[in-house]
Parts: sequence; C-alpha cells; structure tokens
Amino acid sequence: DTEVTQTPKHLVMGMTNKKSLKCEQHMGHRAMYWYKQKAKKPPELMFVYSYEKLSINESVPSRFSPECPNSSLLNLHLHALQPEDSALYLCASSQGRRDQSPLHFGNGTRLTVT
Amino acid sequence: AQSVTQLDSQVPVFEEAPVELRCNYSSSVSVYLFWYVQYPNQGLQLLLKYLSGSTLVKGINGFEAEFNKSQTSFHLRKPSVHISDTAEYFCAVTRNAGNMLTFGGGTRLMVKP
Repeated sequence: DTEVTQTPKHLVMGMTNKKSLKCEQHMGHRAMYWYKQKAKKPPELMFVYSYEKLSINESVPSRFSPECPNSSLLNLHLHALQPEDSALYLCASSQGRRDQSPLHFGNGTRLTVT
Repeated sequence: AQSVTQLDSQVPVFEEAPVELRCNYSSSVSVYLFWYVQYPNQGLQLLLKYLSGSTLVKGINGFEAEFNKSQTSFHLRKPSVHISDTAEYFCAVTRNAGNMLTFGGGTRLMVKP
C-alpha cells in the first residue's frame, strides 16, 4: 500500500469534459508534485507545490490546472484535453522541495482521452 | 544541466541469476542518486539512494548499488533475482540544491523461470 492516495484509478473523458484528479497524503510532507508518464517512458515533471504555493510549472498547457487546497491535498483540474494527453498521472510528495528527501509516489490515475 | 542514461532498455535474466542494471549520469555539480522500481499498474517505489558517505548503498528487496564518481556511474545489482523482481527500474539524479529529479529512460527487468 502506498502512503500517497490518488483517485480515481482510471478515468475516461471526452475532449469537451471537465474532470479532476485528486491526491492526498498524511505524512506531513510540505512538497507535492504532479508527473505525467507515457507508456514505456520515464515520468515527466509537470508541477511542484511547496508549502501550498506553486513553485514550478514546467511549461504545461493551460488545459491542466493544478490546485493545492491544503498541505495534504493536491488536485489537477482537466479541461478540453487532447487524445495525446492520455497517460498515467502520478502524484508524489516529499518532506520539502529543497532537500534530498526521497519522493513518495501514488499509484497514479490512468487517463484516457477519447 | 544534468542527464541520466540507462544503457539497457531491457534486461532478460533467469530466476536466481545475478543481474546488473547500468546507469550513467552527467552533471557539472555534485549530485544525489536514486533507483526507483515501478511494478505494473503502480507508481514508483524507492529502492535505494546515495546522498553521501559509503559508495556502496544497500536498498530494499536485496538490491544494492555502487556510486563511482570517476566513472559517473550508479549501477544497480542483485545477486539472485526472483520472478517478483520483474518490473521497470528507473535511475534518477538530483542536484544538491533540491530534489528535482531527472529520470533515466528506464530498464525493464524480465525474470524468466
């Protein structure tokens, strides 16, 4: 079992839909991350939140909108996605952003855009 | 800038045989090194990490890795693999200023009976 919980596990959405991915951790971590992983590829960083503030945005299209309501929760709002956005979306957390504490990953949300 | 190269995209091996998964990195500054494992339909799990100190690092599930600064390598080894070790393995590096990971391309370890 992972200490980072992601919901839903699977999501199928049309290109005109609006949906949200959710991530929760109760380890007291103050940094949270969204990664995108295509099949047979390594994870690619999308966003980093540090102390509930967005600190890094890796030039992600605006159809992806992150939100960090509190230190335990991280959301990724999706709107007007394209089929090429289909991927595994991974949430991760760490004690801080400017240290070498390892990342703890959730099991991901498998997103299919039709 | 830093980069990570995993030299083998796939490594087939028989059960109970030893295995080595290769990882080389490049960086102009000191780095910290990690190995993560990803089982099918799951997220990534930390196997081991090198931050400082002894260059031989032991991790979970019987894996170990050796940091070699002169060869800029951090190869992962296990003396005897099990079927359950079949998974994707990622080497990752971060600079000493924080934990923004750069991942290698991954190596798929396939353990055969």
